[in-house]
Amino acid sequence: QSVVTQPPSASGTPGQRVTISCSGSSSDIGSNYVYWYQHLPGTAPKLLIHSNNQRPSGVPDRFSGSKSGTSASLAIRGLRSEDEADYYCATWDDSLDGWVFGGGTKLAVL
Amino acid sequence: QVQLVQSGAEVKKPGASVKVSCKASGYTFTSCSMHWVRQAPGQRLEWMGWINAGNGKTKYPQKFQGRVTITRDTSATTTYMELSSLRSEDTAVYYCTRDMVAPFDYWGQGTLVTVSS
Repeated sequence: QSVVTQPPSASGTPGQRVTISCSGSSSDIGSNYVYWYQHLPGTAPKLLIHSNNQRPSGVPDRFSGSKSGTSASLAIRGLRSEDEADYYCATWDDSLDGWVFGGGTKLAVL
Repeated sequence: QVQLVQSGAEVKKPGASVKVSCKASGYTFTSCSMHWVRQAPGQRLEWMGWINAGNGKTKYPQKFQGRVTITRDTSATTTYMELSSLRSEDTAVYYCTRDMVAPFDYWGQGTLVTVSS
């Protein structure tokens, strides 16, 4: 049973840089790409980062992704109030033969 | 622009089935796959399966095999997800989400399915 782990919460003040981690294993993050999504309550989730560190067009360069071994991170610099949302990582799990999501991180902009 | 518009909220009794639709527009429907993902209250997002909109091939995780069926109607550019033998734990928001540029690159607005006696 795959468990991709994220911290339940994170916070920062406007203008700060925050990072959100996503930890897995050799069968998921360790051997596959990681994707990041932003979810504001009541709206459709939005793709932020694909293929570990690629930003789709339209996503500000304040958002960046990285991966090392069995962990990945999402960094947000120049934090804004509108960044307050839930953030999820996702990856393919070879042992489950399916997609798995992290538990989500609620970001508060104080 | 890409739009995925889902059908409205449903209330079902335990043991019943539900079928949720997802109407796609703004891109070539048969050029990609469509996933279904759900989120129960307080739970993480959960992948339920996908369909190749071009050839109709499907893939489901073991947890949902035998209980979920994903189909598509290319003429209507619509994907459907049917979940049977509903139980209270299936109460969740269900999303369709496209796989073209990247997995889950566009999402529908979500459909709340409530299972209650």
